[in-house]
Amino acid sequence: AQSVSQHNHHVILSEAASLELGCNYSYGGTVNLFWYVQYPGQHLQLLLKYFSGDPLVKGIKGFEAEFIKSKFSFNLRKPSVQWSDTAEYFCAVKSTYKYIFGTGTRLKVLA
Amino acid sequence: DTAVSQTPKYLVTQMGNDKSIKCEQNLGHDTMYWYKQDSKKFLKIMFSYNNKELIINETVPNRFSPKSPDKAHLNLHINSLELGDSAVYFCASSPDLGTQYFGPGTRLLVL
Repeated sequence: AQSVSQHNHHVILSEAASLELGCNYSYGGTVNLFWYVQYPGQHLQLLLKYFSGDPLVKGIKGFEAEFIKSKFSFNLRKPSVQWSDTAEYFCAVKSTYKYIFGTGTRLKVLA
Repeated sequence: DTAVSQTPKYLVTQMGNDKSIKCEQNLGHDTMYWYKQDSKKFLKIMFSYNNKELIINETVPNRFSPKSPDKAHLNLHINSLELGDSAVYFCASSPDLGTQYFGPGTRLLVL
């Protein structure tokens, strides 16, 4: 069965620290990969996505992610986090009409 | 301007009642979804419709019944509400291979 794993459930960082959130998926076919962010009390919004081409994709607010096909991974990175990045981050994989979301990583950035 | 809208935003009801949540999208997307997000923020797909046809029906109690009167609307009706149904329900839409656009969520509390 398809699945998406996010290894870090809770991450606490100080402002200006670097961030890397892990995401691994299990599916052998062609996939589209996404990272969504959910700020406190809000709905999910797209951060970035990968469909094809350059495996290093850049998203909004300085986030980027790298697709490593051999590792079935799509890790999210940001070189310097801000207090406003405090949110829940979801990795998602899409095949045909089905989306599967990871369990989410709760990021808290201390001012 | 609202892309994906849901009503109501909050719903508090007694066990055993029947309730409906409505969703509308003005993006012209062909596919719409219902997700349930539990208290641990885990996001699970419930249903997906493509051009008014059901294409994904995850393991959901048959007390939950989606209805799509047209491709811009996907409503969710819940019969005989139970305590465990308390959650945030998100509607989303997407073009066939594209990003998902989420509604603001409906916070359901069953007493």
